[in-house]
Amino acid sequence: AQKITQTQPGMFVQEKEAVTLDCTYDTSDQSYGLFWYKQPSSGEMIFLIYQGSYDEQNATEGRYSLNFQKARKSANLVISASQLGDSAMYFCAMREGILTGGGNKLTFGTGTQLKVEL
Amino acid sequence: DAMVIQNPRYQVTQFGKPVTLSCSQTLNHNVMYWYQQKSSQAPKLLFHYYDKDFNNEADTPDNFQSRRPNTSFCFLDIRSPGLGDAAMYLCATSTMDRGGKLFFGSGTQLSVL
Repeated sequence: AQKITQTQPGMFVQEKEAVTLDCTYDTSDQSYGLFWYKQPSSGEMIFLIYQGSYDEQNATEGRYSLNFQKARKSANLVISASQLGDSAMYFCAMREGILTGGGNKLTFGTGTQLKVEL
Repeated sequence: DAMVIQNPRYQVTQFGKPVTLSCSQTLNHNVMYWYQQKSSQAPKLLFHYYDKDFNNEADTPDNFQSRRPNTSFCFLDIRSPGLGDAAMYLCATSTMDRGGKLFFGSGTQLSVL
């Protein structure tokens, strides 16, 4: 079973509109973390936002917010006031526990390609 | 102000010819990771280093090796590249914090002819 599911392979949004990118996850751990990364065509993965499983408030970072619904196991990314530069691939990722030998293992979803249009 | 630097950006090799990809960091993070990302797929962890301790993922082929001579540098060696190894290879670093985000480089796009 997939641990991270992103059901929208592609999304379109008009400039200045808000858009929601869906992410559901599957874990039996009580302590975990959820991340969103942006990958432009240049290839670099850019960190956007993080939500810990025990965080009661939804995370926000500027125009990005994470709609965390723990009971539903969903962690949707909301981008407000979309800009042309937001066009990119967006990945949802989950950290479960700590890697053997230290470090954080992130399991990624298959991504959503967002295109912002004029 | 690049913090995780990968070289080269594009690498072309021949089937079976060993190739090395490099990664350096200025963040002084003690954990470094190598991810493989095939076209239209999610990045997949190959292995990671915690300081000098090497940790392999169970399903990483033996064809892939890595070296970390010091905190700043990490290398990915592919001993005998096959056509199926053509992919983007992403290097990342992090601290040991549980919420520690991964900082990624721009990746090396490997082509195998």
